[in-house]
Amino acid sequence: EAGVTQFPSHSVIEKGQTVTLRCDPISGHDNLYWYRRVMGKEIKFLLHFVKESKQDESGMPNNRFLAERTGGTYSTLKVQPAELEDSGVYFCASSPTTGTSGNTIYFGEGSWLTVV
Amino acid sequence: DQQVKQNSPSLSVQEGRISILNCDYTNSMFDYFLWYKKYPAEGPTFLISISSIKDKNEDGRFTVFLNKSAKHLSLHIVPSQPGDSAVYFCAVTQVGYQKVTFGTGTKLQVIP
Repeated sequence: EAGVTQFPSHSVIEKGQTVTLRCDPISGHDNLYWYRRVMGKEIKFLLHFVKESKQDESGMPNNRFLAERTGGTYSTLKVQPAELEDSGVYFCASSPTTGTSGNTIYFGEGSWLTVV
Repeated sequence: DQQVKQNSPSLSVQEGRISILNCDYTNSMFDYFLWYKKYPAEGPTFLISISSIKDKNEDGRFTVFLNKSAKHLSLHIVPSQPGDSAVYFCAVTQVGYQKVTFGTGTKLQVIP
């Protein structure tokens, strides 16, 4: 069974540019999450989709960040325009329907973003 | 406001000895706790979890202990192996709520 896959694995962009990160969750997982780790700090929650609906987006830093999950399958996270402080590793994770697997979520390998 | 704290950013342990990683949380509503392990340039991988109805869960060399009154959990690895060298993240959640909150991580180095 394929795990959570993310693309691109690395991206270096200039301040002011736009970057779109993509996540393909584990097949059949209704829950999809975006997390971010900046400069060796904690893995910080950004938002949570249940199928195509945003369940919780309380962690989104500001309106430069836009996440979508059309059709309830893959998700994209767009940063526009990117700022220097957006640099970090963006992790996508997925989990099955609530009540199974005890809230364990499964991570992708992350998309490393560097804004210069 | 840091809801999950791992106060030791790093830990070095001799191979074969016990590694103890600690985690404190602030919100008594959390009732499910997880540990993830992360190698460089990889995503975190699930290691072990514990529900608030238990105070101990064991899986091979890994044991997680939960002290609800102190809002404290710990991960014991015994015996420690060089392959255990990684960053370990404590994570907390509420069953049914799905959002998982992570600590800052503790970098474990097991010395051969």
